Amino acid sequence: EAQVTQNPRYLITVTGKKLTVTCSQNMNHEYMSWYRQDPGLGLRQIYYSMNVEVTDKGDVPEGYKVSRKEKRNFPLILESPSPNQTSLYFCASSHSGAAYEQYFGPGTRLTVT
Amino acid sequence: GENVGLHLPTLSVQEGDNSIINCAYSNSASDYFIWYKQESGKGPQFIIDIRSNMDKRQGQRVTVLLNKTVKHLSLQIAATQPGDSAVYFCAENGGLSQKLVFGQGTRLTINP
Repeated sequence: EAQVTQNPRYLITVTGKKLTVTCSQNMNHEYMSWYRQDPGLGLRQIYYSMNVEVTDKGDVPEGYKVSRKEKRNFPLILESPSPNQTSLYFCASSHSGAAYEQYFGPGTRLTVT
Repeated sequence: GENVGLHLPTLSVQEGDNSIINCAYSNSASDYFIWYKQESGKGPQFIIDIRSNMDKRQGQRVTVLLNKTVKHLSLQIAATQPGDSAVYFCAENGGLSQKLVFGQGTRLTINP
């Protein structure tokens, strides 16, 4: 089954404790992206990757890192999480040139206390 | 994946009626305009797209209309079913980053 998977689905952590949210897709997509979804602000792009070893900032990259060492994986790293990073996070992927049709993962609900 | 926006516009329709969801967009340079559906507890799901050089596109039970003059996008859902209950987002796509820029969403509720 074609899908985007994220782990963990739910995470409660404390300020400053490094964490990684994994994202994997099995559709051989070149383009991958991370979004966060917040009440009243909608979905905003954090980082994106056009292909392996090619990443760039989205609209809200502060406090996040990403890497793209393999085509299927695009982890999101929070080196020192803060409460304002409490949010619902989505990973998405698509074929390059067809990013209007992105496939989204199920989401990761992160709470930073 | 629920959208918990406190100020989401809401549209309530009777089952079997047609639904029309509207969206105003801002970037005239976008290449594509898209509709996504987000059901409770899930990530957004692609419904239909329309390229900027078109004004209408039809899918299965859905039609998207694009009015570039007034920067308006609409999604028409025919014979609305209970499974259509969700939050619907319009989005724009284009540029080097190929990012999706989402609107705030509309919650569609189906009355039996």
